[in-house]
Amino acid sequence: AQTVTQSQPEMSVQEAETVTLSCTYDTSESDYYLFWYKQPPSRQMILVIRQEAYKQQNATENRFSVNFQKAAKSFSLKISDSQLGDAAMYFCAYRRKLTGNQFYFGTGTSLTVIP
Amino acid sequence: GAGVSQSPSNKVTEKGKDVELRCDPISGHTALYWYRQRLGQGLEFLIYFQGNSAPDKSGLPSDRFSAERTGESVSTLTIQRTQQEDSAVYLCASSLGDTNGLLHFGNGTRLTVT
Repeated sequence: AQTVTQSQPEMSVQEAETVTLSCTYDTSESDYYLFWYKQPPSRQMILVIRQEAYKQQNATENRFSVNFQKAAKSFSLKISDSQLGDAAMYFCAYRRKLTGNQFYFGTGTSLTVIP
Repeated sequence: GAGVSQSPSNKVTEKGKDVELRCDPISGHTALYWYRQRLGQGLEFLIYFQGNSAPDKSGLPSDRFSAERTGESVSTLTIQRTQQEDSAVYLCASSLGDTNGLLHFGNGTRLTVT
C-alpha cells in the first residue's frame, strides 16, 4: 500500500521569508501524481501544486515550487515570500496514474506565518 | 453550483442516533470520495465511488458506516448508532475520474456527537 509521510507536524516562518515543507512517500509504481493541498481554517481544501512523476522538471506555481526527487521518493514544497494568507494546514498527497484509484494523504503540516 | 456542496455544514447529534451527510459533486464528475478528518489530524479515506458503484470501501471503519450514490450524482454517508469517536469533519471530494485526477473538495460537515 502507498503511504505518504509528513514528518513536520508544525512549521513557522517570518512573513516575506521562505519555508520548505517536507513529504516522502512509498510506492512501487513508476508513474503517478503528487499534490500539495492547503487547508485554511475555513476547511476548504485548495490545490496548491501538482507534479507528474514522469516529468523531471519541478512544478512551479507563482510563489510555490516543489523539489521532486523521484529516486529518493521525496516531494517538498517551498513557499517563497511567505504571506499571512499562507497560514494553513498543508497536505501532501499521492495518486496512482490510473483511473479509479484513491488519493493517499499525509498527516499534514500546520504552517504559521509570523508578521 | 460550480463546486462540491456538502450539507449540513454542521451537525450535532446525540450518541446512538443515526445521521446522514450529503454530498453534491461537481456536475459531470464520475468519481466521488469521502474522507474523515479528526481534529488536528490528516485525511482518513472512507470510500470511493466510480459512477454509482463503490470499488473501494476499504476505509469504512465499521458496519455502522455506509454510503450510497445515485444518478452518478448525489452521495449520502450514513452513520448509524453514532458514537463520540465519530465526531470529526467529513469531507467529500469529486474528480473527473480520468487520469488527470484533480480532486475538488467540499467544505465538509462537522459532526459532533454528544
